[in-house]
Amino acid sequence: EPEVTQTPSHQVTQMGQEVILRCVPISNHLYFYWYRQILGQKVEFLVSFYNNEISEKSEIFDDQFSVERPDGSNFTLKIRSTKLEDSAMYFCASGTMDKTQYFGPGTRLLVL
Amino acid sequence: AQTVTQSQPEMSVQEAETVTLSCTYDTSENNYYLFWYKQPPSRQMILVIRQEAYKQQNATENRFSVNFQKAAKSFSLKISDSQLGDTAMYFCASNYGGSQGNLIFGKGTKLSVKP
Repeated sequence: EPEVTQTPSHQVTQMGQEVILRCVPISNHLYFYWYRQILGQKVEFLVSFYNNEISEKSEIFDDQFSVERPDGSNFTLKIRSTKLEDSAMYFCASGTMDKTQYFGPGTRLLVL
Repeated sequence: AQTVTQSQPEMSVQEAETVTLSCTYDTSENNYYLFWYKQPPSRQMILVIRQEAYKQQNATENRFSVNFQKAAKSFSLKISDSQLGDTAMYFCASNYGGSQGNLIFGKGTKLSVKP
């Protein structure tokens, strides 16, 4: 069964450094999403992406964040200058017209 | 603001018994979808079941079923014949139509299945 994959599974970085989180969505899906989950809290929407552009973004998704689909298969989330409060689990999801979203296993980001 | 509320932070159930997890939501939309996701200790988000708001029939997936009460804006999850592997956080979520329908999650219910 096709599934969403994410790399790396864990990332530790220093405050102020740039990180790129990578996702490979399910191949026939057209909609792509990033969510985050701070430890012990609920999952929060960051951004959605369709037809090679951002569809919607939340207040969390400020100028430090960007997304890209560089080669038609990968979907990346970049954080330009990480802050301590960016430490969280980051989930990529993909979906189709039926609104169901399938999540990847997540990347656990720790900012020191 | 659209919200999803799970009022039970933690629940426990004996193996082989049935448990119901509660979820309520608030929306003014007519077209929306509701979901339950399971998050085991590995923290992966696994889709359990989905319900389309325009369908009156409650969704079922093997041991998992929902009680969808549209007028009451209630969407509870029933797990029958609970198994140890059902131990996890359970999140109720909804998307509210729109171009893609980004998911809004509840705070989750931690379910422990006891042997």
